[in-house]
Amino acid sequence: EDKVVQSPLSLVVHEGDTVTLNCSYEVTNFRSLLWYKQEKKAPTFLFMLTSSGIEKKSGRLSSILDKKELSSILNITATQTGDSAIYLCAVAGGGSQGNLIFGKGTKLSVKP
Amino acid sequence: EPEVTQTPSHQVTQMGQEVILRCVPISNHLYFYWYRQILGQKVEFLVSFYNNEISEKSEIFDDQFSVERPDGSNFTLKIRSTKLEDSAMYFCASNAETQYFGPGTRLLVL
Repeated sequence: EDKVVQSPLSLVVHEGDTVTLNCSYEVTNFRSLLWYKQEKKAPTFLFMLTSSGIEKKSGRLSSILDKKELSSILNITATQTGDSAIYLCAVAGGGSQGNLIFGKGTKLSVKP
Repeated sequence: EPEVTQTPSHQVTQMGQEVILRCVPISNHLYFYWYRQILGQKVEFLVSFYNNEISEKSEIFDDQFSVERPDGSNFTLKIRSTKLEDSAMYFCASNAETQYFGPGTRLLVL
């Protein structure tokens, strides 16, 4: 059965800290791995990773995929209270139309 | 910036009633999806839709569920006879290279 596992499930840090969120997967016909940020409602897209070893970066956020280890990390540097959210990892695979398989998410709380 | 929209934002219904959740995907996208998220649980795939037909569905998507693209813009999810366990947030998504999600409809079945 395809699965995506995220760790830790929750994390509390202080502003300015750097955090690393982990995602591992076992998915047939892997196509891509996506990271989303979920604040109140809809997941909002952060990154899509398809190639191993190539870092994607957006401001203080960055992510990299390791296809050999079947995993990805999401780094957030100099965290701010606005980074508080649930971070979802999803993998497109299995089905022919790239249906996403989600992990349970990591709940990040950034305290001032 | 184009976005996926969904209506209504909240729906309360009695068990056994039919509900229709509506979505307007991003206009040049060709693949459409419904997901659901039961409170406190992970987002789960329900169904994908391409070229006016279902391309894939999960085991959650049983005979009580149906999807339709009645016109060129709307994409609907119908639940024929709602059950208590259908209470969840339902997300629509559309896809070019990346899946973009709508804001969701929170369905509460009493």
